Amino acid sequence: GENVEQHPSTLSVQEGDSAVIKCTYSDSASNYFPWYKQELGKRPQLIIDIRSNVGEKKDQRIAVTLNKTAKHFSLHITETQPEDSAVYFCAASSRNNNDMRFGAGTRLTVKP
Amino acid sequence: GAGVSQSPSNKVTEKGKDVELRCDPISGHTALYWYRQSLGQGLEFLIYFQGNSAPDKSGLPNDRFSAERPEGSISTLTIQRTQQEDSAVYLCASSLDGSAGDLGQYFGPGTRLTVT
Repeated sequence: GENVEQHPSTLSVQEGDSAVIKCTYSDSASNYFPWYKQELGKRPQLIIDIRSNVGEKKDQRIAVTLNKTAKHFSLHITETQPEDSAVYFCAASSRNNNDMRFGAGTRLTVKP
Repeated sequence: GAGVSQSPSNKVTEKGKDVELRCDPISGHTALYWYRQSLGQGLEFLIYFQGNSAPDKSGLPNDRFSAERPEGSISTLTIQRTQQEDSAVYLCASSLDGSAGDLGQYFGPGTRLTVT
């Protein structure tokens, strides 16, 4: 089955700096890669996703890149703000069976 | 429209008792997932339902855990003879069928289970 690894486990940046979170996956059949943001005490929320036919996707200050050959994908947050502080989870799934496996999460702290 | 709902929001039970947690997915979503999240930890996959197919139970930690989705909509997660290590937030998520455009999972607010 799929195995997703996520790094780093914690990340602290200064407000305005960029933050990068990286994930690797094991199943070459995986073709859908979402990212979730979970604020303290709240449910995970889908913030951006990418499919395997695309190398990069942007949404305002958030971007995700995918390297299918290397089986890794990354989340990039630019111009970070204190409200970006949360735990971020990456995930991978196969379109065929629609199961999804999550990384262990990255706790991002943006210091004002 | 309405999102994923879960009930109860909080449940405190004594060790050894059985509990039932309920999830009502987004209307039209055929896939339903249960996860467990211990304090400060990641999302632990428990079970996955897709339409009328046999569920993927590979994440259930032991035979005290079971789940049903009898009519393809609402799901119930049952934990028998609860133990203190079962204390966690149980999250339900739903998504459209894999053949549709949007594969994103949408989470409910969770049920916080405390076993005393």
